Amino acid sequence: DVKVTQSSRYLVKRTGEKVFLECVQDMDHENMFWYRQDPGLGLRLIYFSYDVKMKEKGDIPEGYSVSREKKERFSLILESASTNQTSMYLCASSSGQLSGNTIYFGEGSWLTVV
Amino acid sequence: GQSLEQPSEVTAVEGAIVQINCTYQTSGFYGLSWYQQHDGGAPTFLSYNALDGLEETGRFSSFLSRSDSYGYLLLQELQMKDSASYFCAVKGSGGYQKVTFGTGTKLQVIP
Repeated sequence: DVKVTQSSRYLVKRTGEKVFLECVQDMDHENMFWYRQDPGLGLRLIYFSYDVKMKEKGDIPEGYSVSREKKERFSLILESASTNQTSMYLCASSSGQLSGNTIYFGEGSWLTVV
Repeated sequence: GQSLEQPSEVTAVEGAIVQINCTYQTSGFYGLSWYQQHDGGAPTFLSYNALDGLEETGRFSSFLSRSDSYGYLLLQELQMKDSASYFCAVKGSGGYQKVTFGTGTKLQVIP
């Protein structure tokens, strides 16, 4: 059974803190993604990675960075958390094949910045 | 850039048929996907269209017209458990690995 695991389900952080959201997948997928989901705005892509140590900006990368040191792990970093980063963060992965059309999502991490 | 448009909410009666439309504008296109998300849950894959036409999977069907930059998800024999949000997603707006989602359509099925 495919699995994408996000390390924290609920987090509360203070403004200015550095925040790490960790994600691990067990499907040997090449592609990994970080989205944030906000009411009325759908899923917005922050960053994605198509290989180890490779990363590409998504549609809303400002205020975020990512790290992919191992194929199975993709981390999202908020260098200095702000209240407008309060959101649900979804990690996902997919096969790197052109025919790999299914994205598998983790259960999400609810981040509140106070 | 890219944009995907879907209706924000749809209400339909149990047992009926409902169609959720998606129009898109992207710089590159490999295919259109549909995902379902129940409240509090993760999105799950429903279907994918790379070529024009209809794809059927049980009660769900998805249609694509690349010339019109348009697709839809058709849900038949609606059940209460189909109440969820449905997202269309475009693969390829900036490399074939990139997947961009729409804002989602909240479907409410009523008795």
